[in-house]
Amino acid sequence: QVQLQESGPGLVQPSQTLSLTCTVSGGSISSGGYYWSWIRQHPGKGLEWIGHIYHSGNTYYNPSLKSRLSISEDPIKNQFSLKMSSVTAADTAVYYCARVPYTNGWEGVDYWGQGTLVTVSS
Amino acid sequence: DIQMTQSPSSLSASVGDRVTITCRASQSISRSLNWYQQSPGKAPSLLIYAASSLQSGVPSRFSGSGSGTDFTLTISSLQPEDFASYYCQQTYSGPWTFGQGTKVDI
Repeated sequence: QVQLQESGPGLVQPSQTLSLTCTVSGGSISSGGYYWSWIRQHPGKGLEWIGHIYHSGNTYYNPSLKSRLSISEDPIKNQFSLKMSSVTAADTAVYYCARVPYTNGWEGVDYWGQGTLVTVSS
Repeated sequence: DIQMTQSPSSLSASVGDRVTITCRASQSISRSLNWYQQSPGKAPSLLIYAASSLQSGVPSRFSGSGSGTDFTLTISSLQPEDFASYYCQQTYSGPWTFGQGTKVDI
């Protein structure tokens, strides 16, 4: 059974960098066929795709956030990470890490982390 | 970006009801459409992928249909655990985008 777990600070100061790590168990992030992703949900609102990374190191970032984003992987620790710079209160959200299978196309998120609330405030 | 519009935004229903939620894309997305269920305080969970494929472990009362720009999620007989929010998502082209959600309550 695949499990994903987010970790990182729950409070970030405005203009600082948000850093989150997702630890994957029950499967290797180095195996092909999966895109490892970050998604966020503003309080009481809908879902927003942040970006994803493939085991080859290829990344995709939401263009609306791209200038502030970096997603990386650590195959040794079986983790992938999100860094978002210059955060503001608008970045306050629940952040999810997730897995998306790819066979004949992207099949939707089949595994999600439990989510972690990140609040941007001084 | 491809805009996804769900309707209705909310609905009231009873146990046993047949419920239909629609999702419209701002341009054709073929069948690259997924549906999720989210209960309060929980992560979403995948119900349907590729417009009509039932995710493993999801009850057969859930079904999806559509292609191009118009899609439908149907719950054939609403159960107490189905009172939740539902989201559609397109994975046709980046950035992947979600509908605004439909809340199903009593």
